[in-house]
Amino acid sequence: GQNIDQPTEMTATEGAIVQINCTYQTSGFNGLFWYQQHAGEAPTFLSYNVLDGLEEKGRFSSFLSRSKGYSYLLLKELQMKDSASYLCAPSGGSYIPTFGRGTSLIVHP
Amino acid sequence: EAQVTQNPRYLITVTGKKLTVTCSQNMNHEYMSWYRQDPGLGLRQIYYSMNVEVTDKGDVPEGYKVSRKEKRNFPLILESPSPNQTSLYFCASSQRGPDYGYTFGSGTRLTVV
Repeated sequence: GQNIDQPTEMTATEGAIVQINCTYQTSGFNGLFWYQQHAGEAPTFLSYNVLDGLEEKGRFSSFLSRSKGYSYLLLKELQMKDSASYLCAPSGGSYIPTFGRGTSLIVHP
Repeated sequence: EAQVTQNPRYLITVTGKKLTVTCSQNMNHEYMSWYRQDPGLGLRQIYYSMNVEVTDKGDVPEGYKVSRKEKRNFPLILESPSPNQTSLYFCASSQRGPDYGYTFGSGTRLTVV
């Protein structure tokens, strides 16, 4: 089975940097996905980490430590449109992820 | 345009009346999956399919059926819906390989009264 832990809610100011942490325990592990989900909409793919370390994609970066069962999503230069839920999803076999409950990020002016 | 198409977007039905939510993808993906999303519980997998005629239970399969007769279609069937199946449902597909995440359908909001 899988146990995924991420904060329920975070708030941040427009223009700031925020880090959303995720810890996981899985029976098998291939990699870890991060998804963004705006209210009432479908999740959209942000990143996929297989190897340890930081991967940067524009304003968003994702970090993975396989030995620690830990990942984080780093969002820079926050914009109002970044207000959304961020889902951590470790994948164990067949590259089909199981999702955490998500972190609701509120960006205020 | 590459996409996953779910229908209907909204559905209100009565207890016990069989219904089917359709899902179709045009990306030739091997993997397809159904999730339900409930407040405070996040996305929970109902069923998934590795390929045609290959399906398996997810975390919450009770009360649901699926079939995968063609690669592009993966319908979700509720034989006798009950109020506890009121939820937001997402179909998703994925191409085999570590660099590909899920592509999700737009969701179906189901209410069972």
